[in-house]
Amino acid sequence: DAKTTQPNSMESNEEEPVHLPCNHSTISGTDYIHWYRQLPSQGPEYVIHGLTSNVNNRMASLAIAEDRKSSTLILHRATLRDAAVYYCILRDGGGSNYKLTFGKGTLLTVNP
Amino acid sequence: DAGVIQSPRHEVTEMGQEVTLRCKPISGHDYLFWYRQTMMRGLELLIYFNNNVPIDDSGMPEDRFSAKMPNASFSTLKIQPSEPRDSAVYFCASSFQGIWNEQFFGPGTRLTVL
Repeated sequence: DAKTTQPNSMESNEEEPVHLPCNHSTISGTDYIHWYRQLPSQGPEYVIHGLTSNVNNRMASLAIAEDRKSSTLILHRATLRDAAVYYCILRDGGGSNYKLTFGKGTLLTVNP
Repeated sequence: DAGVIQSPRHEVTEMGQEVTLRCKPISGHDYLFWYRQTMMRGLELLIYFNNNVPIDDSGMPEDRFSAKMPNASFSTLKIQPSEPRDSAVYFCASSFQGIWNEQFFGPGTRLTVL
């Protein structure tokens, strides 16, 4: 199964950009890269996903390396509300049944 | 839409008792997932349903755990008998037309087994 590696924690200042890295050197050619985040005392929420090209939405941007062995979630202007655990997730399993497998994630602290 | 609804939000019970957790997915969603989160093991998928049919229950820890989805708007996760090691936050999530489409999570049920 393809695995991801993320730093345990990162720190940022409010209104500054944040780059959250994720390594996935064993990613297969058809695996999508998904990001979820979990705010304190809440369930996870979807952030963004992509396959090969960089992706943007209202929450964040996803930059995917050309070899797809790594990706970076970019929060353009961090706010206090962005303090959360961020999970980088690849498809897990085979056949027609796939699992969304959460790792340890990166705990992002945002300083005022 | 109210989002995914879970009840109860908190449950405290004694070892050996039966516990039933409930979930109402977002209307129109055809996939429903049950997850468990602990400090030691993180967030784990227990089981998921598609159109009310269980598809993958390989994450269910043992026979004490069972899940049902009698209709498109309701699911239960039952633990019988409960044990202290079952203490965790249990999340229900739903998605539309695919396990890899955006999953919407409920607020979770915090279960404490004494």
